Amino acid sequence: QVQLVESGGGVVQSGRSLRLSCAASGFSFSRNAMHWVRQAPGQGLEWVAVISVDGRDYHYTDSVKGRFTIARDNSKSTLYLQMNSLRDEDTAVYYCARDTSASANYYFDFWGQGTLVTVSS
Amino acid sequence: EIILTQSPATLPVSPGERATLSCRASQSVRSYLAWYQQKPGQAPRLLIYGASNRATGIPARFSGSGSGTDFTLTISSLQSEDFAVYYCQQCSDWPRITFGQGTRLEI
Repeated sequence: QVQLVESGGGVVQSGRSLRLSCAASGFSFSRNAMHWVRQAPGQGLEWVAVISVDGRDYHYTDSVKGRFTIARDNSKSTLYLQMNSLRDEDTAVYYCARDTSASANYYFDFWGQGTLVTVSS
Repeated sequence: EIILTQSPATLPVSPGERATLSCRASQSVRSYLAWYQQKPGQAPRLLIYGASNRATGIPARFSGSGSGTDFTLTISSLQSEDFAVYYCQQCSDWPRITFGQGTRLEI
């Protein structure tokens, strides 16, 4: 069965960096675009970033452009999110999510359990 | 940015009843709309994509309709496990993906 397991969250000071990982199993990882979606405590969902199947194409929500980098290693079936210059407003549970398609149609059919990132000033 | 407005914010219902949730877009999203269910402490689950297509494994009591700016998620006969928060999401304006603020179904 499809499994997505995030790791790397924690408490970090404002301005510092953190790298999240998402280990995928149960499907051919290289055949799906992948996303990060976050949810601030008690709030709704916010899409963060997407990466193509080959890792060459990616997009970000405006609030993280220039600070976050999405990447993938298909040989390890792992998705990453490098987060730099963290701000208080980045505090959230971060989910990795599988796109339903290789060509990124932005529907998310499987989600990890999430990893909590807390940015403290 | 396309804004999705869900109504009502909270919907009191009882098991066995029919629930109708609304999602309105600030501009047309054609049929590029999905619905997700989220229970406390869990990740969201895809219910409907393309406005009216049920995702794999989703019971037939869940149905989606609409196009353009007005969309509806209907749960025909509520089960106890359906009490959750429901989000709509548009992907018409990719990569500027947006979600609604959610509707909470409560007893």
